[in-house]
Amino acid sequence: AQSVAQPEDQVNVAEGNPLTVKCTYSVSGNPYLFWYVQYPNRGLQFLLKYITGDNLVKGSYGFEAEFNKSQTSFHLKKPSALVSDSALYFCAVRADPSYDKVIFGPGTSLSVIP
Amino acid sequence: EAQVTQNPRYLITVTGKKLTVTCSQNMNHEYMSWYRQDPGLGLRQIYYSMNVEVTDKGDVPEGYKVSRKEKRNFPLILESPSPNQTSLYFCASQGNRRNTEAFFGQGTRLTVV
Repeated sequence: AQSVAQPEDQVNVAEGNPLTVKCTYSVSGNPYLFWYVQYPNRGLQFLLKYITGDNLVKGSYGFEAEFNKSQTSFHLKKPSALVSDSALYFCAVRADPSYDKVIFGPGTSLSVIP
Repeated sequence: EAQVTQNPRYLITVTGKKLTVTCSQNMNHEYMSWYRQDPGLGLRQIYYSMNVEVTDKGDVPEGYKVSRKEKRNFPLILESPSPNQTSLYFCASQGNRRNTEAFFGQGTRLTVV
């Protein structure tokens, strides 16, 4: 069965430090990978995606993510965290046999400490 | 402004009383879907629609119905709500190509007592 894992429920990081939010996936075929962010009492907002090509993708608000096919991972990163980055982050995938379904990970709560 | 609009934002209802949550998008997107969000489980897809009159089950379709009579609207229907359907619901739309990202509504917090 296809799945997406975010192994950390909670990530705490000091403001100004680099942050990483981890995502691994288990799918057949070539995946399309996405990161979304959810601020309190809001819907999800798109951050970035990997479709093909360069394994390092850049997205909104200074975020980037690295696709690693051998490790089946798509970790979200930012060089210098801001307090305003505190939110819930979701990894999602579309893949074979049907790209119609979208599978989300359970989410990781990021807290950036001033 | 591109947006997905859900109504209502909050709803408290009683077991067995039919309800409909509406969803409308103004981006001419073909693909629309409904998710429920529960703590520790992330978002789970309930139903999706590839285009008008084309709908299919997601991972947790039991107890829900949908219809897609017009491209812009994708209502979620609970014919006989039960307490285990208490959740936060999101509607989303995106282009039909597989590499497109989703636009989400603001969410509907449903409580079934």
